[in-house]
Parts: sequence; C-alpha cells; structure tokens
Amino acid sequence: GAVVSQHPSRVICKSGTSVKIECRSLDFQATTMFWYRQFPKQSLMLMATSNEGSKATYEQGVEKDKFLINHASLTLSTLTVTSAHPEDSSFYICSASKQTNTEAFFGQGTRLTVV
Amino acid sequence: GQNIDQPTEMTATEGAIVQINCTYQTSGFNGLFWYQQHAGEAPTFLSYNVLDGLEEKGRFSSFLSRSKGYSYLLLKELQMKDSASYLCAVRDLWSNDYKLSFGAGTTVTVRA
Repeated sequence: GAVVSQHPSRVICKSGTSVKIECRSLDFQATTMFWYRQFPKQSLMLMATSNEGSKATYEQGVEKDKFLINHASLTLSTLTVTSAHPEDSSFYICSASKQTNTEAFFGQGTRLTVV
Repeated sequence: GQNIDQPTEMTATEGAIVQINCTYQTSGFNGLFWYQQHAGEAPTFLSYNVLDGLEEKGRFSSFLSRSKGYSYLLLKELQMKDSASYLCAVRDLWSNDYKLSFGAGTTVTVRA
C-alpha cells in the first residue's frame, strides 16, 4: 500500500498559539487530500478537502479562517490550527488517494492538546 | 449527506466469528470501505466493495447489497489483536471529489 506520513504525531501548545500539521504522500502523487478530526470514541469527521493548487473545500460548520489548509504540491498538504483553544484539542488525521477513485491511505494522525 | 449506522459495541471470544453490520443511505454511491482502527492510531484499510456480493480476504470478508443499503464485515478465527474499532465508510460522488463518510465505528472486544 501507499505511504502517507503525518507530522507531528503529538503536539501540546498554549492557548492562542498556532499549530501546523503536515501531511505527505511519500511514494505517490496526491491531487486530493482530506483532513479529518476525531474526538474520543467518535468517528472521523471530514473537515475539508484539499486540492493541489486551489483553495480547500470546507465542510459545513468548519471555520476556514481557523483551520487553514495549504496544498502547495502534489505530495504535501498542511493544516494550520490558528489561535488554538482547548476545545480544538483533538486527533487530526489526513488521508490521500493515488487517484480519485481508489482507496484512501491515512496518515498516522496528530494528537493536539491545547492547554 | 449520508446516514451510516453500525452497532456501537460487540464482544466475542477468541477463535469465534463476529459479524458487524452497516446500513447506509446515500445518493451517488461509489463504494463502501471497512477500516480497522486501534486506539490512538490512524485507520488501516481492510476491504472495499462497490458491486454486490462477498469479498474475501483471509480471515476478513465483506459483503455488500446496494439495493438494501447494507454491508457487513465478517471476522473469522478471532484473535486478541483484532480488538479494535471497525469503521464503515461510504464514498459518494459529489462534484469531482470522492468523499468518504464514516460511521461512528463498532468497538470489538475479543476475550480469551
């Protein structure tokens, strides 16, 4: 299977600061990547779809100014949580597909804790 | 949007068989996936169904009936390491993005 690398795996930050999470497809090009968040014992909630070279498409209820997504190349998408607050603490996971109609490969996830 | 329903929890004995059901309602159906997720880790791909019928892959099998909006994941010869959450996910074709929507997950506990 393909490899998707997500970094960092864990991060603790102070309230009001910003945190950047990287998602890389290591052995394939991904024109589309997806960002999810997951609260304990709940399912993955799609936050946004990241398309290389264009603006991300956000799901309803997700603040685009708070969760900045940049998909600068075919192998890298970044999610920046701006002015983080404790309620942003969650497990963030990215996924990428080799093509639009194939299975999605997930990154390792990032555990964000805002204190 | 989609309604994806699966049981919250299931418990089974090592060596036994467990069947996890998933029902969904969607328009523009473009495939159903099953993922396994251990606590604190990202999901890993188990199976994919887009046509009706049974797909077998080792100890795991997945079934799909599109007319009934129904799928199940069958785990045979359960092992302790199979204790995890199992996520049913439906892919829709909306615009040009093949989005995956996930069910809430079924936590399977395997007991000795």
